[in-house]
Amino acid sequence: SAVISQKPSRDICQRGTSLTIQCQVDSQVTMMFWYRQQPGQSLTLIATANQGSEATYESGFVIDKFPISRPNLTFSTLTVSNMSPEDSSIYLCSDTREARGSYEQYFGPGTRLTVT
Amino acid sequence: GNSVTQMEGPVTLSEEAFLTINCTYTATGYPSLFWYVQYPGEGLQLLLKATKADDKGSNKGFEATYRKETTSFHLEKGSVQVSDSAVYFCALSDWFGGKLIFGQGTELSVKP
Repeated sequence: SAVISQKPSRDICQRGTSLTIQCQVDSQVTMMFWYRQQPGQSLTLIATANQGSEATYESGFVIDKFPISRPNLTFSTLTVSNMSPEDSSIYLCSDTREARGSYEQYFGPGTRLTVT
Repeated sequence: GNSVTQMEGPVTLSEEAFLTINCTYTATGYPSLFWYVQYPGEGLQLLLKATKADDKGSNKGFEATYRKETTSFHLEKGSVQVSDSAVYFCALSDWFGGKLIFGQGTELSVKP
């Protein structure tokens, strides 16, 4: 199991502004991930955040829109920049750790973002 | 590229009914397979996993078997409860625990 916290849990923001979401995990991990879950949809990976290197972004996501920091092995931030209503989603962070002989990925509770 | 396909929902069952949620995948190599559950208003929880062919993952009465020959990982439970009402996601990752690729999710509603 894992304890992963996110701040804020929810927010309502105006278009054109930016929001930074924090993710804290309870163990030193190599890989952390940021996902987006649009209303009624599945989860889509935004980027992989590795400590000590730049984040690796998936197709359709760019650093200028979703800058990510990973200052140490237990913490990461995702910024949603210049927001528009289309950015209204739940943003989840996760980490991967070894468990029961293989790797398992655990998720934070999510940040519910509404852009007006 | 890798992908996961789940049966569409919503699925509505009566309490104590048998549940099957179909999941098939396309992947190169030997992925690990997972089922996650998202209860209303809550985050994503790992329900069970299987890491190689013919492995059976199980938890809380749910089971799924990694079938390489049919590239499937169907979720089953013999007798569902109202408390099982949630959205279920099938997912795969590379063996080394990299990014997860999710299916569309299947909403399950269990009526008393």
